[in-house]
Amino acid sequence: GENVEQHPSTLSVQEGDSAVIKCTYSDSASNYFPWYKQELGKGPQLIIDIRSNVGEKKDQRIAVTLNKTAKHFSLHITETQPEDSAVYFCAAKGAGTALIFGKGTTLSVSS
Amino acid sequence: GAVVSQHPSWVICKSGTSVKIECRSLDFQATTMFWYRQFPKQSLMLMATSNEGSKATYEQGVEKDKFLINHASLTLSTLTVTSAHPEDSSFYICSARAATGVADTQYFGPGTRLTVL
Repeated sequence: GENVEQHPSTLSVQEGDSAVIKCTYSDSASNYFPWYKQELGKGPQLIIDIRSNVGEKKDQRIAVTLNKTAKHFSLHITETQPEDSAVYFCAAKGAGTALIFGKGTTLSVSS
Repeated sequence: GAVVSQHPSWVICKSGTSVKIECRSLDFQATTMFWYRQFPKQSLMLMATSNEGSKATYEQGVEKDKFLINHASLTLSTLTVTSAHPEDSSFYICSARAATGVADTQYFGPGTRLTVL
C-alpha cells in the first residue's frame, strides 16, 4: 500500500521567512496530493491540493509542487505569519483509496 | 461550503459503556465517509471507510465489532465505540468525500475527544 514520508518533523522560522515541507510517496498510482493544516484540538483543514497532471499550484502565500518522476511533493509558505503556526500534514491518494497521511510537521513562526 | 460537523466535540465515559459519535456533511452529499483516529502529537490513522448503504471497510488491526460504523444516509455516518476502555481514549475525526464535483477532496470534521475513565 501507499506510504508517505514527511520532513522535517519540526520547523521553526522567523516571521516573514519562507517555510518548506517535503513529502515522498511510494505508490506511483497515487494521483491526488492534498495538504492539511491542523490547529491544536481541531480537525485538519484543507489548505491546498494538487493532482498528478499538474506540476505546481499556487494560492496566495501557499504553493505546492509535485515531481511525479521522483515521487515527491512539497509545500511552500512564503512571508510566514504567527498564525501560520500549526501542524501541517501531507497526504496521498491513489484511485479508489482513502488518503494516507504523512506524520506531520509542527511549524512554529516567531515574531 | 463543504462543512463537516461532528457531535459531540468531547465525551467522557466510564469503562464498559458505549459511545456514539455522529458525523454530518452539512452542505453536500457524501458518498464516502472516513473515520480516523489520532493520538497526541501523532498523525491520523485511518480506521475505516464507509459508503452510504453498505458495510464499512475496516483497516487491518481495527476491530469491526468494537468500532461499529453506520452510514445510513448521504449526510450522516456514525461511529459507536462499544464497551469502551481507557486505551480507546483518543481524538476521533471523520471526513467526507463529495458525491459530485471534485471527487477526491476530503473534508474533515472538527474531531471528537473521547476520554474513557
